[in-house]
Amino acid sequence: AQSVTQPDIHITVSEGASLELRCNYSYGATPYLFWYVQSPGQGLQLLLKYFSGDTLVQGIKGFEAEFKRSQSSFNLRKPSVHWSDAAEYFCAVGPIIQGAQKLVFGQGTRLTINP
Amino acid sequence: NAGVTQTPKFRVLKTGQSMTLLCAQDMNHEYMYWYRQDPGMGLRLIHYSVGEGTTAKGEVPDGYNVSRLKKQNFLLGLESAAPSQTSVYFCASSYGGNTDTQYFGPGTRLTVL
Repeated sequence: AQSVTQPDIHITVSEGASLELRCNYSYGATPYLFWYVQSPGQGLQLLLKYFSGDTLVQGIKGFEAEFKRSQSSFNLRKPSVHWSDAAEYFCAVGPIIQGAQKLVFGQGTRLTINP
Repeated sequence: NAGVTQTPKFRVLKTGQSMTLLCAQDMNHEYMYWYRQDPGMGLRLIHYSVGEGTTAKGEVPDGYNVSRLKKQNFLLGLESAAPSQTSVYFCASSYGGNTDTQYFGPGTRLTVL
C-alpha cells in the first residue's frame, strides 16, 4: 500500500532563510507526486507536481521540489522564505485510476516564520 | 467565477442525525472529490466522481454516501452521524483527469456530539 511520511511536524525558520521540507513515500511503481499548501482556515492549493521527466520541478511562489527515486523522496525547497509562506504543507502521492487522482496525503508540516 | 464553494461552513449535529454537505463548482470541471481532514492525519479521500452520474469509493467511504446528479454539484451525505465523523470536510474539483490541478473549496467544519 502506498504511504507518505513527512518527518517534521513543525518547522520554524527566520524570514529570508532557506527552507527544505522533507517527504518520503512508499509506492510500488513510479509515483505521481504533489505538494500542496494550506493557509489557516483555507482549502489546499497546489504548489507543484511531478509525474515524469525532469526530476527538479518548479512550482508557484518560488518553490521547487526534487524527485529522488533512489531515496524515495520528494523534498520541497525555497531559497528565501517570506512571512507569507507561514502555512501547513502537505505532500501527496497516488495512482491515477480512470483519470482520478487517488491521493494519499502525508500528515503535514506546519511552517512558522520568525521575523 | 466563484470557483469551488461548500455549504454550510459550520454545522453541529447530534449522534444519529443526518445531513447533506453541498459542493458546487462553476468551472465546468469533470472530476470532483470529497476529503476529510483530521489532526495529524492529512487529508483522506472519501468518495470521488469522474463525471455527471458517476461516483466511486475512496479510502474511507464507510458511513457516507454521495451523489452527482448535476455536473456542477457533488453532494456528501451522512445518514446517521457518529462522533467519529467530526472533522473538516473539503471538496475539490479538476477539469480533467490524470495530473490536472485539483481546486479546493474552503471546507466545512462538522462536529458530531
